[in-house]
Amino acid sequence: QKEVEQNSGPLSVPEGAIASLNCTYSDRGSQSFFWYRQYSGKSPELIMFIYSNGDKEDGRFTAQLNKASQYVSLLIRDSQPSDSATYLCAVSQNSGYSTLTFGKGTMLLVSP
Amino acid sequence: DGGITQSPKYLFRKEGQNVTLSCEQNLNHDAMYWYRQDPGQGLRLIYYSQIVNDFQKGDIAEGYSVSREKKESFPLTVTSAQKNPTAFYLCASRDSTNEKLFFGSGTQLSVL
Repeated sequence: QKEVEQNSGPLSVPEGAIASLNCTYSDRGSQSFFWYRQYSGKSPELIMFIYSNGDKEDGRFTAQLNKASQYVSLLIRDSQPSDSATYLCAVSQNSGYSTLTFGKGTMLLVSP
Repeated sequence: DGGITQSPKYLFRKEGQNVTLSCEQNLNHDAMYWYRQDPGQGLRLIYYSQIVNDFQKGDIAEGYSVSREKKESFPLTVTSAQKNPTAFYLCASRDSTNEKLFFGSGTQLSVL
């Protein structure tokens, strides 16, 4: 049974701070890792993806992957109230059309 | 304007009734997926299809059925056998070049 674990939160940070969201996964064969942002009542939106160990930066977002520890994280710098949402971690084996396994998500609240 | 269109946005089901949720994409993606999301929960895979006229059960297929007669369309039927159908249903698609999954806007199904 493939599992993806996230702290449900809420994670509360003040505006301008760094928000750190964490995710662990059980399947060592996992190759592709994704972060989705989901606003209440809306569909998930892909914001970051990472395939290799290390860091990947895109604007205020940094994804970090450590396959040895089976751990992936998302850092949001200079957090804004508009970042308040649920962040879903998703993992796949990257074999053909392998399916994505999602965590339950972490709710982030950024206070002005 | 490429994307994934789900309809209707809201749907109400009477006891004993079958209802069908529509999903259409014009992204020319081969693979399509149906997920169910309950409040405070992650996404759970119902069915997926990698190619026309072929589909596979996901983790929670009981009480649901699908068809894939056209590449663009992947309708989901919630049958009367699904005793707890109230949830947010998300359709997604993915192309053959990467693992990225893109979602439609979702259908909220409720029971009358």
